[in-house]
Amino acid sequence: GAGVSQSPSNKVTEKGKDVELRCDPISGHTALYWYRQSLGQGLEFLIYFQGNSAPDKSGLPSDRFSAERTGGSVSTLTIQRTQQEDSAVYLCASTLTPNTEAFFGQGTRLTVV
Amino acid sequence: QQQVKQSPQSLIVQKGGISIINCAYENTAFDYFPWYQQFPGKGPALLIAIRPDVSEKKEGRFTISFNKSAKQFSLHIMDSQPGDSATYFCAARGGATNKLIFGTGTLLAVQP
Repeated sequence: GAGVSQSPSNKVTEKGKDVELRCDPISGHTALYWYRQSLGQGLEFLIYFQGNSAPDKSGLPSDRFSAERTGGSVSTLTIQRTQQEDSAVYLCASTLTPNTEAFFGQGTRLTVV
Repeated sequence: QQQVKQSPQSLIVQKGGISIINCAYENTAFDYFPWYQQFPGKGPALLIAIRPDVSEKKEGRFTISFNKSAKQFSLHIMDSQPGDSATYFCAARGGATNKLIFGTGTLLAVQP
């Protein structure tokens, strides 16, 4: 595609429910990153994929968070048993190779009520 | 050592003025320093970036100044315009995973 696409753009969920956030990177981009942006805050790194493997998961805040990437393309970030503190904008970025420019999607705004 | 510190948190500039945002880092392994611009409801977009082998890079009204010995870099926006009003993030990258480490952001408001 022309850019990084994320879906849904907005998600409201009840506390305790599981959610899945999807990222379609730019075609051909080998590296994919997930970040979290809380209201008025900077971008917090969550996880990095190179191809389908995740050599750096150091930013995942708890074991309720997991992510996978398939076919070297689409990635899904799953949050189990959502909590109110999970409310944030989740951003995905991709790069052609790990040391090139990062392109961001528009994000998924997650609200846990 | 992985932090990037950014200041100020917010900035108000008159149209035509110069906007200056500063960042500092600790990790000497960082080798790429981009600035991102983010409008409300949008993802960050790359504005300009620099590598540590140069001290300055200019693209149009935007200039990065880089001081390797002080481990600091700054963004200068010349002739600031109301359309520049956005949140600006500095970032740094380097190391095995090439993840970007972001500053906390600067909310810039350019008054007409």
